Amino acid sequence: TQLLEQSPQFLSIQEGENLTVYCNSSSVFSSLQWYRQEPGEGPVLLVTVVTGGEVKKLKRLTFQFGDARKDSSLHITAAQPGDTGLYLCAGDGTGTASKLTFGTGTRLQVTL
Amino acid sequence: DADVTQTPRNRITKTGKRIMLECSQTKGHDRMYWYRQDPGLGLRLIYYSFDVKDINKGEISDGYSVSRQAQAKFSLSLESAIPNQTALYFCATSDYGSGNQPQHFGDGTRLSIL
Repeated sequence: TQLLEQSPQFLSIQEGENLTVYCNSSSVFSSLQWYRQEPGEGPVLLVTVVTGGEVKKLKRLTFQFGDARKDSSLHITAAQPGDTGLYLCAGDGTGTASKLTFGTGTRLQVTL
Repeated sequence: DADVTQTPRNRITKTGKRIMLECSQTKGHDRMYWYRQDPGLGLRLIYYSFDVKDINKGEISDGYSVSRQAQAKFSLSLESAIPNQTALYFCATSDYGSGNQPQHFGDGTRLSIL
C-alpha cells in the first residue's frame, strides 16, 4: 500500500507570513496532484506535477516535485485569509491517474 | 448547477439500517469514485468504476457495496450501518485518457451512524 504523509497536520499563521507544506512517501509516483478543500465542499485541483524536480507556480503558490518523485512541497508566499483550507496531495502510482493515493492533509488557517 | 451532485448532503441514522448515497454527474466522464474522509486520514478509496459494467474495490471496501446504474450515476450502499462508518463521503469523476487527469468532486455527504 502506498502511503503519503503530509506535514504539518495543522498550521495557523497570520496574514503575510510564508509557509511550506510537505508531502512525503517511500513510493515513487508517476505524477502528483495538489488539491484544496474548503468547508462544505469537495477538493478542487490546484496543480499537477509530473517530472522529477519540476517546479510550478500558481500566483503566490509554488509547487515542487522531488527529484526521485517520492515527495513534493507546496510553498505559499505572503499568505492571505483566502488561502485558508485543507490542502491534500495525491499521488498517481499507475501512470494513468486511474487511482490516486491521497495524503493525510494539512489544515491551514490564515488570520488577519 | 453542480457538475457532480451528491444526495443526501447530510444523513443521521441508526446502527443496522441500510443506507444508500447517490451520485450523479453531468461531466460525461467514464470514471467514477467513492471516497470516505476522516480527520487526519485524508481521503480513502472505497470503490471505483471505469464504465457501466466495471466495478473495482478500493482500499476500504468491506461493509460497502456500489452500483453503476448508468454512465452518469454511481451509488454507494451500506447494507447494515455501524458507528465507525460515520464519516464524510465524497463522489468523484475523472475523464478517460493519458495520465494526469484531475478528479472532480461533489460537495460530500456527511453521514452519522448512531
